[in-house]
Amino acid sequence: QVQLQESGPGLVKPSETLSLTCTVSGGSISSYYWSWIRQPPGKGLEWIGYIYYSGSTNYNPSLKSRVTISVDTSKNQFSLKLSSVTAADTAVYYCARVGYSGYPKYYYYYYMDVWGKGTTVTVSS
Amino acid sequence: EIVLTQSPATLSLSPGERATLSCRASQSVSSYLAWYQQKPGQAPRLLIYDASNRATGIPARFSGSGSGTDFTLTISSLEPEDFAVYYCQQRSNWLFTFGPGTKVDIK
Repeated sequence: QVQLQESGPGLVKPSETLSLTCTVSGGSISSYYWSWIRQPPGKGLEWIGYIYYSGSTNYNPSLKSRVTISVDTSKNQFSLKLSSVTAADTAVYYCARVGYSGYPKYYYYYYMDVWGKGTTVTVSS
Repeated sequence: EIVLTQSPATLSLSPGERATLSCRASQSVSSYLAWYQQKPGQAPRLLIYDASNRATGIPARFSGSGSGTDFTLTISSLEPEDFAVYYCQQRSNWLFTFGPGTKVDIK
């Protein structure tokens, strides 16, 4: 079955750029949307953005100016970059596959059906 | 942006009891609502999609209902492993939002 694994530095300095990669195994990255979600310590889930395997993206308006999500289909990976980080960006970062409903009449992608285990990123000098 | 509100914030129950969790959307999301379970130190797990469809491997004691703006997740008889935080989630205009969560803890 499809598995996701986040990777990247666990410590980032304030004002720098957070970079994470999600590797998809057990299936192809094609024909799906893929998302990043984060969870600050003791708080709820916040959607960061998504990317389609073709490269189209959309981001949470509250983070849009600082977020870039990209995809590398040859490596079955997608990545997150978050610039100008502050302590408020300290969180567990999850990658997830976006599942769909409506098949075969249509595809409505909206729920996260496969999640990575998450990676903790701390912003501190 | 559609805002999801969950109630109660905390539900204190004993094993074997029935749990009823509510999720309310600020605008209609039709039936496109999902529920997740999250245990401490773990990633969320998809429980329910399309308001009432159980995801693969989810026990029958979990059920979902509702449409439009009002949704309910019911756990018919709580097992020890069900004490966790539950989130609802939707997508509208290609923006995804989660509710703030309901914590089900042991009474």
